[in-house]
Amino acid sequence: GENVEQHPSTLSVQEGDSAVIKCTYSDSASNYFPWYKQELGKGPQLIIDIRSNVGEKKDQRIAVTLNKTAKHFSLHITETQPEDSAVYFCAAKLGHLFFGTGTRLTVIP
Amino acid sequence: GAVVSQHPSWVICKSGTSVKIECRSLDFQATTMFWYRQFPKQSLMLMATSNEGSKATYEQGVEKDKFLINHASLTLSTLTVTSAHPEDSSFYICSATPNPNQPQHFGDGTRLSIL
Repeated sequence: GENVEQHPSTLSVQEGDSAVIKCTYSDSASNYFPWYKQELGKGPQLIIDIRSNVGEKKDQRIAVTLNKTAKHFSLHITETQPEDSAVYFCAAKLGHLFFGTGTRLTVIP
Repeated sequence: GAVVSQHPSWVICKSGTSVKIECRSLDFQATTMFWYRQFPKQSLMLMATSNEGSKATYEQGVEKDKFLINHASLTLSTLTVTSAHPEDSSFYICSATPNPNQPQHFGDGTRLSIL
């Protein structure tokens, strides 16, 4: 199956700064890469996704980049706000979704 | 759009009890639903995939007789934890998708505590 690694496990940034979370995957056949935000006691919420035929996608303050050759993809959050604080999971789809181990993002006001 | 509702959100019961968790897609028809388990501060682990009208496909190591899944309609899947024991305590989350080419949307999870 697919193996997804995610770094860092924790990330603290000052409000207004940018946050970057990186993931790598092992199987080049994976073709879809979503990012989810999970708040305490809640289920994951899809925030952005990218397919393997695209290198970059942006939605307001959130962007995702994909490097198929290197098999890695990253989430970029600009102008962070306290409400961005949550656990973020990357995933790669190979049949079904394989999740990374999560990044706890804390935005300090 | 794409709302997935899960019920109950929290359940505490005695060891040996069977517990049923419901997962509903509210504004779309879900041909496929997924059940995950998440331990504290850990990632989501897929337990099984269910397609409407057919038997669920379980991941390796997941006991199908322990975790009964029924996907009787395009908007409802249920997970029954039979004869639950303390080690079954966890956060169970379902997700659904209209078709394999569209994103998965997750419910808010069910926290199961077995005493």
